[in-house]
Amino acid sequence: QLQLQESGPGLVRPSETLSLTCSVSGGSVSTSLYWSWIRQPPGKELEWIGYVYKSGSTNYNPSLKSRVTISLDTSRNQSSLKLISVTAADTAVYYCAGDSTPSRWYFWGQGTLLIVSS
Amino acid sequence: ESVLTQSPGTLSLSPGERATLSCRASQSVSSSLAWYQQKPGQAPRLLIYGASSRAAGIPDRFSGSGSGTDFTLTISRLEPEDFAVFYCQQYGTLPYTFGQGTKLEIK
Repeated sequence: QLQLQESGPGLVRPSETLSLTCSVSGGSVSTSLYWSWIRQPPGKELEWIGYVYKSGSTNYNPSLKSRVTISLDTSRNQSSLKLISVTAADTAVYYCAGDSTPSRWYFWGQGTLLIVSS
Repeated sequence: ESVLTQSPGTLSLSPGERATLSCRASQSVSSSLAWYQQKPGQAPRLLIYGASSRAAGIPDRFSGSGSGTDFTLTISRLEPEDFAVFYCQQYGTLPYTFGQGTKLEIK
């Protein structure tokens, strides 16, 4: 059974860069699955951030496209998310997710809370 | 961007009753709609995809219907563990978007 686990700093200052990783166990990031990131601000609905495929191809939400990068590290069996120039509006629980399609998600991590504050 | 509007915002029912949740899209998404259940402090759980196909391991009391712009999630007989927040999500057009959620609470 595929298991995903997010990790990150918990707290980031405004204007800095956010870096999160998603460690995958029970399978390889090099298999034919899409690895996605989704976030949820406190008390609000979910927002799709983007995905990466084993080929390295990516697709991002236009609202975040200028600030986000999603990539794979096959040597560590991880997916990573980088978001530059963060603001308080980026405070959210960040989830990584995987599925055989890029557009819906069966496997989820438990989520990691990121707070943007000085 | 396709905006999804869910109704009602909160639904109060008792175990054993039938629940009907609605999701309306601002533009047609064909059958490219999924439903998720989320409990406090947990990740969402995929229930339905393709508007009416149950995900692996989902009990048959959960069913989905609809196409185009109007969709419904039905829980035939509520179990105590079913009470949660439910989100619809469309993947007919980019970017993928979610509804604002319906909270199903115990009456």
